[in-house]
Amino acid sequence: QVQLVQSGAEVKKPGASVKVSCKTSGYIFTGFYMHWVRQAPGQGLEWLGWINPNSGAKNYTQKFQGRVTMTRDTSISTVSMELSRLRSDDTAVYYCARDSYNSVVGGALDIWGQGTMVTVSS
Amino acid sequence: QSALTQPPSASGSPGQSVTISCTGTSSDVGGYNYVSWYQQHPGKAPKLMIYEVSERPSGVPDRFSGSKSGNTASLTVSGLQAEDEADYYCSSYAGSNNWVFGTGTKVTVL
Repeated sequence: QVQLVQSGAEVKKPGASVKVSCKTSGYIFTGFYMHWVRQAPGQGLEWLGWINPNSGAKNYTQKFQGRVTMTRDTSISTVSMELSRLRSDDTAVYYCARDSYNSVVGGALDIWGQGTMVTVSS
Repeated sequence: QSALTQPPSASGSPGQSVTISCTGTSSDVGGYNYVSWYQQHPGKAPKLMIYEVSERPSGVPDRFSGSKSGNTASLTVSGLQAEDEADYYCSSYAGSNNWVFGTGTKVTVL
């Protein structure tokens, strides 16, 4: 079945970087865009950006420009999201989520990873 | 871009209907028909319930319906059931390949 399995929880100090991976299975990896979404404790969802696993093209929300990098490795059907210069308010659960539209980005996220808790604390 | 505005809470008794609003601007909700709705139970990942304003993915009960008028989208849950108690988030295309989520609404089944 279609699955997104994310890497495990991370604890980082302010100023450090974190990289979260999202391994896909059960579908054609290059056929569907992948989005990243985060949720701070007790807060709502926040969209970070997307990556096209086929071309490698990406788009980041302006708030995270310069701090976020999304990559893909087609050999292992995995996408990753790295966030640098971490601050305490980056503490959140980070999700990867597949766009349901085939080969185009449409924003309807039909398959989600289990989430990765990133804690930023000194 | 700013988060879309949703009421913090909504409630209804079993069997009743509840409608949640999602207000944006002409640059997001009002400008495109790419509005989605997600259901999230505590400690779980969100689940897609509605896409393209009113389309239901396979497996989502027809008790869930979506609509849009101007800059405001709405999700209606008819025939409320206990398992519908959850947080609900709207999302909209906001132009320039960007998306934005709503502030979220907690639905309580009384």
